[in-house]
Formats: sequence, structure tokens, C-alpha cells
Amino acid sequence: AQRVTQPEKLLSVFKGAPVELKCNYSYSGSPELFWYVQYSRQRLQLLLRHISRESIKGFTADLNKGETSFHLKKPFAQEEDSAMYYCALRGATNKLIFGTGTLLAVQP
Amino acid sequence: EPEVTQTPSHQVTQMGQEVILRCVPISNHLYFYWYRQILGQKVEFLVSFYNNEISEKSEIFDDQFSVERPDGSNFTLKIRSTKLEDSAMYFCASTGTLMTGELFFGEGSRLTVL
Repeated sequence: AQRVTQPEKLLSVFKGAPVELKCNYSYSGSPELFWYVQYSRQRLQLLLRHISRESIKGFTADLNKGETSFHLKKPFAQEEDSAMYYCALRGATNKLIFGTGTLLAVQP
Repeated sequence: EPEVTQTPSHQVTQMGQEVILRCVPISNHLYFYWYRQILGQKVEFLVSFYNNEISEKSEIFDDQFSVERPDGSNFTLKIRSTKLEDSAMYFCASTGTLMTGELFFGEGSRLTVL
């Protein structure tokens, strides 16, 4: 079964603190993992994908196949990072399977 | 920058009524999707569409649902006889390529079934 788990519904941190949004997946093949973000009153948009191994807005995510995880990290959170973050998996059929999302709230 | 647009932004309907949600994907995109999100739950895949036919559908996408690309620009989701549990935010998405895995989402249509 293909499944994405985001254990935290809400993560609240202070500005400047490190952030780690957890994502675990279940997939028998070789997955592609993504992080999508939805800022307040905006549409869902791609933040980053594991295959490009890039840092976007200071965020990085490493695919750990042993732990079946794809946690999203940022060393110093900014207030503008406050948003809903969704981890997603793409399997063999090209559809995206989303996790339940984590609301990141960065306090001043 | 081109965007996926969806109408209506919010629709309220009575149980048993037919509803059509409309989407205008980005113009050169070829792959189209509908997702839905029930309040407080995850974004769920409903259906994908390519080359004027359904590529894949989830078990949620039963006979009450249908999709159509009637005129080469619009991509519609029809719910034939709405149920209370169809109340959700419905998202349309499109992409020009399957290579990147990036989907471009609309802002969503909120459906409330009374």
C-alpha cells in the first residue's frame, strides 16, 4: 500500500529556531517524494522534490530509504514560513499521494 | 504567470442535486487531475485525465462522478447526485509533463451539501 504519514498536525516554533517537519512513507518500489506548501489564502504549490536535491527558501529534505522518511528541515525559521506543509509520494502510476499535512506556525 | 483557475469558489447545494465544478488548466498542459480535501483530512486523489480519457481513478470516484474536457480548455468534474459526504474542497491540477512530478493546483472549489 502507498501511504504518507505526517505525525504532527501542528508545529509551533519561535523565529530563528530550527524546524523539522516529519514525513514517513510506505511504498514497495522506488518512490519519488515531494513537499508541497500552502500559504494562507494561496494555492497548493511545490516546495521541493527529493530528486533535485536542492534547497528552496532555506528548506532541505533528504530521502532516507532505510527509515522510509523524507523530513523537511530548515535551520532558522522565519515568520513567512508559516504555512501548511504537505509531504507527497508519487508511485508508479504518477498520481500524488498526500499526507495529512502539518501546520507550521512561526512565532515572532 | 499562467495559473489554473477554478469556478465556483464556493457552491452550496441540496443533497441529491447535480453539481458541476469547472477548471481551466494551464493552456499547454496535457495531464489533468481532480483532488478533494474533506475538512480536517488529507488531500485525496480522485481522478487523472489525459488524451481525453481517464488515466486512473480512485475508489472514491464512483459512478456518481464524471469528468469531461468539453471544449479543449475547460476540465469539469460532475457529481450526479450529491451526498452530504461530498462536502469538501475540490482541487483541480494540471501539468505539462510527468517528468518533474510537479502539479499546478487551482485555488479550489468549496462544495457544501446540505
